Amino acid sequence: DAGITQSPRHKVTETGTPVTLRCHQTENHRYMYWYRQDPGHGLRLIHYSYGVKDTDKGEVSDGYSVSRSKTEDFLLTLESATSSQTSVYFCAISGQSSGNTIYFGEGSWLTVV
Amino acid sequence: SQQGEEDPQALSIQEGENATMNCSYKTSINNLQWYRQNSGRGLVHLILIRSNEREKHSGRLRVTLDTSKKSSSLLITASRAADTASYFCATDERGSQGNLIFGKGTKLSVKP
Repeated sequence: DAGITQSPRHKVTETGTPVTLRCHQTENHRYMYWYRQDPGHGLRLIHYSYGVKDTDKGEVSDGYSVSRSKTEDFLLTLESATSSQTSVYFCAISGQSSGNTIYFGEGSWLTVV
Repeated sequence: SQQGEEDPQALSIQEGENATMNCSYKTSINNLQWYRQNSGRGLVHLILIRSNEREKHSGRLRVTLDTSKKSSSLLITASRAADTASYFCATDERGSQGNLIFGKGTKLSVKP
């Protein structure tokens, strides 16, 4: 396993509430990513980070924000959750030592009711 | 936008048979990777092939890359029931800062 921990692993929340998903890595990799996976869409990049306090948008960033105050932690926040954000969220990491290989966490299942 | 597209979407074979999955992409790439995902789990990296490589092997896996056709194939030989999973290709588009773009995957079922 690549030393990636996602929390929470499962969450049910109500529409309009804020939600924060946490990704913690022990590999000291520079790059961290948040993807969402939905049937019929595969994995889509939400946001990524290329260093502490350095983040950028991915393909489906609307409704999401991220923060990276430490190398090891990358937070994904849904400011006001909507039912369309019901999904499985995967954190991933990569770095110089991994080449271009991206290592994935085990996923966080989020249901917005 | 979707870069890699796997084909077929689903594949069902008997144990011992070979499984071939294809991936097509649209733009110039630095490399192409294949990942595997068991149901309810995260993705696991299988193999990476660079744009200047044509074929690569890893155990029972064989990956080919044809940059002129913008396509790749993943062959799993002598399949086992434990190979049942979804398989995704991902491309590292040139100039993309290393972000991978994933296809929708091929769901492989290997029957004992």
